[in-house]
Amino acid sequence: DSGVTQTPKHLITATGQRVTLRCSPRSGDLSVYWYQQSLDQGLQFLIQYYNGEERAKGNILERFSAQQFPDLHSELNLSSLELGDSALYFCASSLDRNNSPLHFGNGTRLTVT
Amino acid sequence: DQQVKQNSPSLSVQEGRISILNCDYTNSMFDYFLWYKKYPAEGPTFLISISSIKDKNEDGRFTVFLNKSAKHLSLHIVPSQPGDSAVYFCAASSIKAAGNKLTFGGGTRVLVKP
Repeated sequence: DSGVTQTPKHLITATGQRVTLRCSPRSGDLSVYWYQQSLDQGLQFLIQYYNGEERAKGNILERFSAQQFPDLHSELNLSSLELGDSALYFCASSLDRNNSPLHFGNGTRLTVT
Repeated sequence: DQQVKQNSPSLSVQEGRISILNCDYTNSMFDYFLWYKKYPAEGPTFLISISSIKDKNEDGRFTVFLNKSAKHLSLHIVPSQPGDSAVYFCAASSIKAAGNKLTFGGGTRVLVKP
């Protein structure tokens, strides 16, 4: 158990809808990361937050947004969903120092129909 | 542009033998490298890492080798066990980049046969 909790585990929704994915980091970790893994693809970095502030941004679509709250949990909001957004979305957390491992949750599987 | 590549999508090995997984990178700014293992329906689990100031790091059955001039790293698993059957990802990061984001390779699926 990595200590990172993601909810829900599965989400099925229709195109055009909006969903929110939730992540609680490991105790003591201040950084939260979001990654997307599409079918047969590697993990693609979306965004990182540290202690409530955006730290780094990857290939995150404008339809997607995230935030980190004062209790350090994070939410990833996906709107105007398209079929191609179907993927596994992983949250990870780490101590806030460079060159430290990320610890991943078990992911949320999003299916857009 | 794939900055981290794992050219072997799969690997099959007999129990007790050595598994060797390879990874190449193109970004010379990368200075920290990691290997993760992933089982189905679970998130990636951190296995072992290496800083660019070293060329080898060992942890039990797992050893990572780094060849900076070739921009190549490898993971050796000795001896391989059936429980090692999983997808393995290599990842890299740069201390000079903003944040601590990891760039991942596409993964290698390892099957250890009893």
